[in-house]
Amino acid sequence: DTAVSQTPKYLVTQMGNDKSIKCEQNLGHDTMYWYKQDSKKFLKIMFSYNNKELIINETVPNRFSPKSPDKAHLNLHINSLELGDSAVYFCASSQGQVLGNTFGSGTRLTVV
Amino acid sequence: RKEVEQDPGPFNVPEGATVAFNCTYSNSASQSFFWYRQDCRKEPKLLMSVYSSGNEDGRFTAQLNRASQYISLLIRDSKLSDSATYLCVVSLGTGGFKTIFGAGTRLFVKA
Repeated sequence: DTAVSQTPKYLVTQMGNDKSIKCEQNLGHDTMYWYKQDSKKFLKIMFSYNNKELIINETVPNRFSPKSPDKAHLNLHINSLELGDSAVYFCASSQGQVLGNTFGSGTRLTVV
Repeated sequence: RKEVEQDPGPFNVPEGATVAFNCTYSNSASQSFFWYRQDCRKEPKLLMSVYSSGNEDGRFTAQLNRASQYISLLIRDSKLSDSATYLCVVSLGTGGFKTIFGAGTRLFVKA
C-alpha cells in the first residue's frame, strides 16, 4: 500500500532524449510536488500543484513540464535532457501545507 | 544568506549521548516548520512538526523561536538507528506552498 509511488525508480538515458516520470498518491492529499536532489544532496522544490492547479514554478528550465491529470497524479516530462539534469527526483504530496510532505522513493535519473 | 541554514556536521556521537541540531531561517513570513530525516539513498521522512510552544515525541524534542527565526532538534539517548541526515524545513505562508529544505545535518551514532 505505497502512499506515494513514482516510476521508474532508475532512468538512464542519453543527452537530448525526452523522458517522463510518473507519480501517484493514494492519500487523498490535495497538493503534490516535484523536488530535485542534486549530487550535493541539496533538495529543492521545482513545482507544486494544489487541486490540479500549478501554484509554484521555481526557476526551472522550460524543458521541464509537469502535468496533473487529476489530484492523485503529477507527472514530470523532461525534454532535451542535459548532463546537468542528472539527479534524484522526488515526488511528494501533502494536505495543505501544515502537516508536511509525504515523499515517494525517488527516481534516480542519469543522463549520459 | 541561505533561506534555511544548518550546520552540515557531521556530528559523531556515542550511543546514549544527547545531541542538538540548530537551524535558522531568513523569511519572517514562514508559517510552518518541520524536521525530516533522510537515510542514505532514501526519501526524506517527516520526523516532526515544530511549534512555538515546543513539542516532544519520545526521545525527540523540537523548539521554535520565531523572534530569533531559529529552530532546534534535541535527540536524547541516541541510538545507532538515529544515524541519518536531519533536514530542517520551512514552509511559507498562505498564497503559496513553497517548502524550503535546509542542506541537512549529518549524524553518526557509534557503538
